[in-house]
Amino acid sequence: EIVLTQSPGTLSLSPGERVTLSCRASQSVSSNYLAWYQQKPGQAPRLLIYDASSRATGIPDRFSGSGSGTDFTLTISRLEPEDFAVYYCQQYGSSPWTFGQGTKVEIK
Amino acid sequence: EVQLVESGGGLVQPGGSLRLSCAASGFTFNTYGMNWVRLAPGKGLEWVSYISGGSTTIYYADSVRGRFTISRDNAKNSLYLQMNSLRAEDTAVYFCARDGPRTVPFDYWGQGTLVTVSS
Repeated sequence: EIVLTQSPGTLSLSPGERVTLSCRASQSVSSNYLAWYQQKPGQAPRLLIYDASSRATGIPDRFSGSGSGTDFTLTISRLEPEDFAVYYCQQYGSSPWTFGQGTKVEIK
Repeated sequence: EVQLVESGGGLVQPGGSLRLSCAASGFTFNTYGMNWVRLAPGKGLEWVSYISGGSTTIYYADSVRGRFTISRDNAKNSLYLQMNSLRAEDTAVYFCARDGPRTVPFDYWGQGTLVTVSS
């Protein structure tokens, strides 16, 4: 099983700031099948990025993903008020699909 | 418009059983793989199970294998999760999620149904 470790656990930031979230895999992610999701309290997760760097339908271009192998990054170029949430990475290259433990982006 | 609506959650005693359902609409159900994912209180997301469009491929997380059974009825556009021998650690909100086209993973999710395992 591939273990995904996200860092940091929590980020306290202000609107307008740039955000970089990290996701490190315990072994190489097959075909860079790495996704990022956003989840707000009481809501379903929302797919942001797939295949490590492809934006999902309707996702603003302030969200971008990068990385390969075992190290991946989600960048939010300029935080909007609606971006404060928990972010999860997920690998879907090999079963069992696994998620990271999440990074909470909170308002400073 | 793609819609996924879960039902069947509730309070159940340890060792009990529960069957979750997910009603799908707005897409050709039998051509998409489907998943169950859960979110336990204070924890992160955990993938639970996957079933292919024709039910030929099924996967489970180790934590539920042998206790949970995923199935689908394409004539009814419905996905199911039969949960037996429930434990306190199965307490969570359970989401159904569609596997997207090509290499897109979980592109649509339901709003979730809460399962509480407690005496």
